[in-house]
Amino acid sequence: GENVEQHPSTLSVQEGDSAVIKCTYSDSASNYFPWYKQELGKRPQLIIDIRSNVGEKKDQRIAVTLNKTAKHFSLHITETQPEDSAVYFCAASIRNSGYSTLTFGKGTMLLVSP
Amino acid sequence: DAMVIQNPRYQVTQFGKPVTLSCSQTLNHNVMYWYQQKSSQAPKLLFHYYDKDFNNEADTPDNFQSRRPNTSFCFLDIRSPGLGDAAMYLCATRGGGEETQYFGPGTRLLVL
Repeated sequence: GENVEQHPSTLSVQEGDSAVIKCTYSDSASNYFPWYKQELGKRPQLIIDIRSNVGEKKDQRIAVTLNKTAKHFSLHITETQPEDSAVYFCAASIRNSGYSTLTFGKGTMLLVSP
Repeated sequence: DAMVIQNPRYQVTQFGKPVTLSCSQTLNHNVMYWYQQKSSQAPKLLFHYYDKDFNNEADTPDNFQSRRPNTSFCFLDIRSPGLGDAAMYLCATRGGGEETQYFGPGTRLLVL
């Protein structure tokens, strides 16, 4: 089955700096890659996603890049703010006849210091 | 308005006493998932329904069962909770033609 590795496990940055979280996946058939943000005690919330036919996607301060050949994708957050502090999960999935399950990375705890 | 609702938000049960967690959705999505999330870990898929078609993950313990009586509702039954089953239980839904999963707020289960 699919295996998703995520690095780093923790990331501390100063407010205003950029943060980068990287993930690799094992199954070349994976074609959908979402990123979820989870604040303490709350639900995971989708912040951005990318499909395999796209190399990069941006939404304000957040961007995701995908390298299908190398089977890795990355989350980039620019101009970080204290409210960006949370755990971020990458995931990968394969669409197969409408059945689709997410394989999550282990998460990255991002701490943005004022 | 809440789209994926989970009740209760907090559940305390005794070791070995059956417990049922519920999930409902207003999105009319045909796929529903149950995840278990322990502290500082990623959500772990237990099972999912595609319409009425039930799909169990290979490593989901037999102690965990699920029911989906209609499109809107899905239940997680833990027949004999152990201390190791204390966790956050997340329900998620997905429309059949989409990839995005929408998570409910979760039920935090405590086993005494």
